[in-house]
Amino acid sequence: DQQVKQNSPSLSVQEGRISILNCDYTNSMFDYFLWYKKYPAEGPTFLISISSIKDKNEDGRFTVFLNKSAKHLSLHIVPSQPGDSAVYFCAATGGGGSNYKLTFGKGTLLTVNP
Amino acid sequence: DAGITQSPRHKVTETGTPVTLRCHQTENHRYMYWYRQDPGHGLRLIHYSYGVKDTDKGEVSDGYSVSRSKTEDFLLTLESATSSQTSVYFCAISESGTSGVPSTDTQYFGPGTRLTVL
Repeated sequence: DQQVKQNSPSLSVQEGRISILNCDYTNSMFDYFLWYKKYPAEGPTFLISISSIKDKNEDGRFTVFLNKSAKHLSLHIVPSQPGDSAVYFCAATGGGGSNYKLTFGKGTLLTVNP
Repeated sequence: DAGITQSPRHKVTETGTPVTLRCHQTENHRYMYWYRQDPGHGLRLIHYSYGVKDTDKGEVSDGYSVSRSKTEDFLLTLESATSSQTSVYFCAISESGTSGVPSTDTQYFGPGTRLTVL
């Protein structure tokens, strides 16, 4: 049973516009959520995170929103740039002693067109 | 960037042969992890370590073993490689795992090892 779901395998946007990547989770014990970006032939790079005590975290062009009641989070990239083209993974952790285990979604391929 | 290296970066081997992948960190972080990435599956945890000689299984541990004799090194061994173990393997590290301080629980990844089992 997939506990972290990224239902859009791919997303294409124009340069300068907003990119919105979505993630849903089913485990109510998750209390820390992360987004990673991955370029081909490289390891995932940590992008931004949010704790369950917050509903928004912002870092430059990247903002993550958390809706705990809906078990949904989203990553907003504004404005999108061609260099943002990559696979984005949503991950979650939590549940007392299992904090160290990250559960990943399958990823969304973002393509930003010039 | 976190100081994490993986070796080898690429390897082709034959079914039935043993294979060992190495992860080396210079951050002195306590926690280390091995993941595999396959199309349609995202990243899945194989094994992890919470200290020297302290390891435990992840969700896809069958056919894999690990060892950690030093803080900086975490080895992943395929005792008898199979074609289903063809994958890209990533090592990750984190400062802590249960501190309750999310910033120290964030995992940082190495560049990966592409393994092909023929």
